[in-house]
Amino acid sequence: ETGVTQTPRHLVMGMTNKKSLKCEQHLGHNAMYWYKQSAKKPLELMFVYNFKEQTENNSVPSRFSPECPNSSHLFLHLHTLQPEDSALYLCASSTTETGDTQYFGPGTRLTVL
Amino acid sequence: GENVEQHPSTLSVQEGDSAVIKCTYSDSASNYFPWYKQELGKRPQLIIDIRSNVGEKKDQRIAVTLNKTAKHFSLHITETQPEDSAVYFCAASWVPGSARQLTFGSGTQLTVLP
Repeated sequence: ETGVTQTPRHLVMGMTNKKSLKCEQHLGHNAMYWYKQSAKKPLELMFVYNFKEQTENNSVPSRFSPECPNSSHLFLHLHTLQPEDSALYLCASSTTETGDTQYFGPGTRLTVL
Repeated sequence: GENVEQHPSTLSVQEGDSAVIKCTYSDSASNYFPWYKQELGKRPQLIIDIRSNVGEKKDQRIAVTLNKTAKHFSLHITETQPEDSAVYFCAASWVPGSARQLTFGSGTQLTVLP
């Protein structure tokens, strides 16, 4: 699969588990984003990275910890989550030099038991 | 911060009819307005966008209009087809630095009835 990929596609975890979501973009973009999509709610921006530097943290609880080792990879580390954190987590990327279009990955469907 | 409201939340139209989805935004500094389509179980995909220096943009059966004074923008789909059935999201953004932040509307579930 080209473009923006995410793994795993589905994840079930208990509240005491630690897991990580991975996003990879093959588009040569320099900005990457994490979004949370819950049922019947707007897409919520969680984190923004530009050239590996975090430029925004939209009041996200510390149980979500992002990591961006390079412009192509983005991780979301999860620990001690709550059932209300169950949602679709979408990664996106864009280039700030030539355009604004954000390209989304397929998402990780997370269920917290 | 920016706030985007989108209406209606659900919309059913007969195949061949037109569909209109409306969004309003709060931050007059917003200057970029994309529309995304998300089919069931799939990722959001950009279908059309408009910038604040343009009032209207068309791409085949899809058009977007922007009224900066009133701070609202609309998506128009003509000659709707069953494959147009999906959730449509509007968004507004500005550039606080060098990476855009998109604020999304709550989405419109469009159903095109055969």
